Amino acid sequence: QLQLQESGPGLVKPSETLSLTCTVSGGSISSSSYYWGWIRQPPGKGLEWIGSIYYSGSTYYNPSLKSRVTISVDTSKNQFSLKLSSVTAADTAVYYCAEAPSGSRAHLGWGQGTLVTVSS
Amino acid sequence: QSVLTQPPSVSGAPGQRVTISCTGSSSNIGAGYDVHWYQQLPGTAPKLLIYGNSNRPSGVPDRFSGSKSGTSASLAISGLQAEDEADYYCQSYDSSLSGSVVFGGGTKLTVL
Repeated sequence: QLQLQESGPGLVKPSETLSLTCTVSGGSISSSSYYWGWIRQPPGKGLEWIGSIYYSGSTYYNPSLKSRVTISVDTSKNQFSLKLSSVTAADTAVYYCAEAPSGSRAHLGWGQGTLVTVSS
Repeated sequence: QSVLTQPPSVSGAPGQRVTISCTGSSSNIGAGYDVHWYQQLPGTAPKLLIYGNSNRPSGVPDRFSGSKSGTSASLAISGLQAEDEADYYCQSYDSSLSGSVVFGGGTKLTVL
């Protein structure tokens, strides 16, 4: 079974870029069997899909975040990454990386989540 | 405002059956896209509970069941147990939002 682990700074200053990485173990990130996504959860609030990337490299982003989001894959490290630019306090959240079997959008595997706080 | 609407809270006594609704529209659930359900225990990552409207991943008890009709879906939990107290989220896909995955706002289940 796949295991996912988020990593990155826990504190980001307003207007800067949030960068997180998800390391995948137990399977290949370039496999056509999965697609990879980022989901966030502000403190005390619900889940918000940020975006996803397929093994082909195709990306899909939440329209409300699209202008600020980039998701990419590093096959040499079996990782995928999230960059969110021009952050504000509203971007403070627990960020999860997740995977879904290809052909489904059901997120079966999740990382444990990492809290990112936007503050000066 | 979430694209998918869930009741903020539901409650039930141990042993009872509760249902959680997830209401969408013609561009998501009503368009035939699958609904998935997640359980989130306090302080933990969400766990997939139901996929493809009514299928349970390996290890999920058959006390949990899902259904879909028209523009809505439901999660039913029978034989309620104390450990079922958690937040529950539905998820689908919306064709009007550039290929977006959409979540419901979440429902807090309290076991009385």
